[in-house]
Amino acid sequence: AQSVTQPDIHITVSEGASLELRCNYSYGATPYLFWYVQSPGQGLQLLLKYFSGDTLVQGIKGFEAEFKRSQSSFNLRKPSVHWSDAAEYFCAVVGDSSYKLIFGSGTRLLVRP
Amino acid sequence: EPEVTQTPSHQVTQMGQEVILRCVPISNHLYFYWYRQILGQKVEFLVSFYNNEISEKSEIFDDQFSVERPDGSNFTLKIRSTKLEDSAMYFCAGQIRGNEQFFGPGTRLTVL
Repeated sequence: AQSVTQPDIHITVSEGASLELRCNYSYGATPYLFWYVQSPGQGLQLLLKYFSGDTLVQGIKGFEAEFKRSQSSFNLRKPSVHWSDAAEYFCAVVGDSSYKLIFGSGTRLLVRP
Repeated sequence: EPEVTQTPSHQVTQMGQEVILRCVPISNHLYFYWYRQILGQKVEFLVSFYNNEISEKSEIFDDQFSVERPDGSNFTLKIRSTKLEDSAMYFCAGQIRGNEQFFGPGTRLTVL
C-alpha cells in the first residue's frame, strides 16, 4: 500500500533562512506527488505537484521540490523563508488506480523573526 | 477564479444527531472526494465519487456515512448518527481526471 512519511513534526527556521521539508513515499511505480500548505483554521492549498518529466518542480510562493526516485523522496525547499510561510505542510501521493490522496502526517513550520 | 465552497463553516451537534455537510465543487470537475482531519492529525481519505456513484471508500466510511450529488452541483456528506469521534474538519475536493484536487475551506464538525 502507498504511504507517505514526513519525518519532521516541527521545524523552526529564522526568517530569511533556507528551508527544506522532507517527504518520503512508498510506491512501486512513478507516483503523482504533491505538496499542500495549510494555514491555521484554513483549507489546503496546493503548492506544487510532480506527475512526470523534469524532476525539479517549481511552485507558488517561491517553493520548489525535487523528485528523487532512488531515494523515494520529494523534498520541499525554499531559499529564503518569510514569516508568512509559517503553516503546516503536507506531502501527498496518488499512487494507484484510485485518485485518492494519501497524506503524510505533516510538518509544522515555525518562523523566528 | 472558481473555487470549491463548503457550508457550513462550523457545525455543532449533539451525539446521535444527523448532520449534512455541503460542498459545491467547481463546475467542470468530474471526481469528488471527502476527507477528514481530526484535530492535530493528518488528513484522511473518506470516499471518492464519480459518475454518480461511490468509486472507493475507506474503512472509516462505514454505514453511518453516505454521499450524494442530488442536483448535479451540490455534493453532500451525511453522517446519520454522529459520535464524539466524528468531531473533525471535513474537506471536500474536486478533480478533473488525472489532475490535482482542489480543496474547499472545510467544515469543522463538533459533536457534543
